[in-house]
Amino acid sequence: DVVMTQSPLSLPVTLGQPASISCRSSQSLVYSDGDTYLNWFQQRPGQSPRRLIYKVSNRDSGVPDRFSGSGSGTDFTLKISRVEAEDVGVYYCMQGTHWPPWTFGQGTKVEIK
Amino acid sequence: QVQLVESGGGVVQPGRSLRLSCAASGFTFSSFGMHWVRQAPGKGLEWVAVISFDGDDKYYTDSVKGRFTISRDNSKNTLYLQMNSLRAEDTAVYYCAKNSHGGYDYFGGFDFWGQGTMVTVSS
Repeated sequence: DVVMTQSPLSLPVTLGQPASISCRSSQSLVYSDGDTYLNWFQQRPGQSPRRLIYKVSNRDSGVPDRFSGSGSGTDFTLKISRVEAEDVGVYYCMQGTHWPPWTFGQGTKVEIK
Repeated sequence: QVQLVESGGGVVQPGRSLRLSCAASGFTFSSFGMHWVRQAPGKGLEWVAVISFDGDDKYYTDSVKGRFTISRDNSKNTLYLQMNSLRAEDTAVYYCAKNSHGGYDYFGGFDFWGQGTMVTVSS
């Protein structure tokens, strides 16, 4: 199974400041069709997860443009350009290239300082 | 808009059974694979099972193979998870999630999630 490793696991940020979360996979997530199936999910307190980013860098409908995804191969990053109060929650990366199973990172908890 | 509503959770003794349901609306249910994903209290996300749009294709995580069965009724737009021989470690919120793509394309996993239903396995 592909192991997804996120860092940091806890991320205190100041409102209006940027935040960055790293996600590494134990093997390349590039599929033979050339696509890389790496998603990012946000889980706000008490809510179900919501997909933010798919295939590394594509924002889902309704996701603010302060969220961006980047990376390739085994190294990926989710960035929030200016953190807002509504961004508090846990963020998960997930790979969808080598399935089953679909595997998640441990989660990164974003909180306001 | 896509809506997924889980039900059927509760408290059950170890070794007993439970069946979860997920009522879907807002999309053509019969065209998309569907997943179950769980989250133990205070823990991360764990994929559990997937079923193809037509019910012919099923995959499970190792820890539930032989105990859980995923199924669907496309005439009722409903997904199910039959859970037998439940263990304490199955205690979690169970979410149903819609596969991102139609057909047998499971790459990319899932996009929309339900609100979840809590399963507690305890004597």
